[in-house]
Amino acid sequence: TQLLEQSPQFLSIQEGENLTVYCNSSSVFSSLQWYRQEPGEGPVLLVTVVTGGEVKKLKRLTFQFGDARKDSSLHITAAQPGDTGLYLCAGPAWMDSSYKLIFGSGTRLLVRP
Amino acid sequence: NAGVTQTPKFQVLKTGQSMTLQCAQDMNHEYMSWYRQDPGMGLRLIHYSVGAGITDQGEVPNGYNVSRSTTEDFPLRLLSAAPSQTSVYFCASSLTRDTEAFFGQGTRLTVV
Repeated sequence: TQLLEQSPQFLSIQEGENLTVYCNSSSVFSSLQWYRQEPGEGPVLLVTVVTGGEVKKLKRLTFQFGDARKDSSLHITAAQPGDTGLYLCAGPAWMDSSYKLIFGSGTRLLVRP
Repeated sequence: NAGVTQTPKFQVLKTGQSMTLQCAQDMNHEYMSWYRQDPGMGLRLIHYSVGAGITDQGEVPNGYNVSRSTTEDFPLRLLSAAPSQTSVYFCASSLTRDTEAFFGQGTRLTVV
């Protein structure tokens, strides 16, 4: 069982459509990060959300941190083929008596032209 | 602008062989970590280090060893490779475990 569950696992949409992906946990996180990973590359940070209820915008991407700091969402408006990639959420978690940065399973997004 | 450098990019091993994946960063980051990425599993933490001389286990540490003798370098050793270790391995570094993680380009390892 992963501490950070992401849904959906895979999303295929047409260019111009809107979409939302989710990152959920039963644990409270002090912050959550969102990364995008393109084929053959390492993940690259998009945003960090820190405060419960926080909303951050990055051009057509809107990130929200849940009020209870247990979940987060990423909404993309008018998706473009350049948005294609693997979206990962990550957060520092207390596991096995130490504090570590862990990742969710990811949402693979394909935007068709 | 080197950032995080991983070598090699590709490797094929026979079952039972050992090898070391290299990772170096030039950002003076204290926190470094190794992840493996398998289809549908996202990134799973293998080992991490909060500074030179200090390492700890992640979610999936079995079969791997690490050491951190300098701030810059964090090698990952496979002691006796098994087919279950076929994966893509990523090294990452950050100022702390809460801040932005910078990743290398990955090592694609196949164990036959």
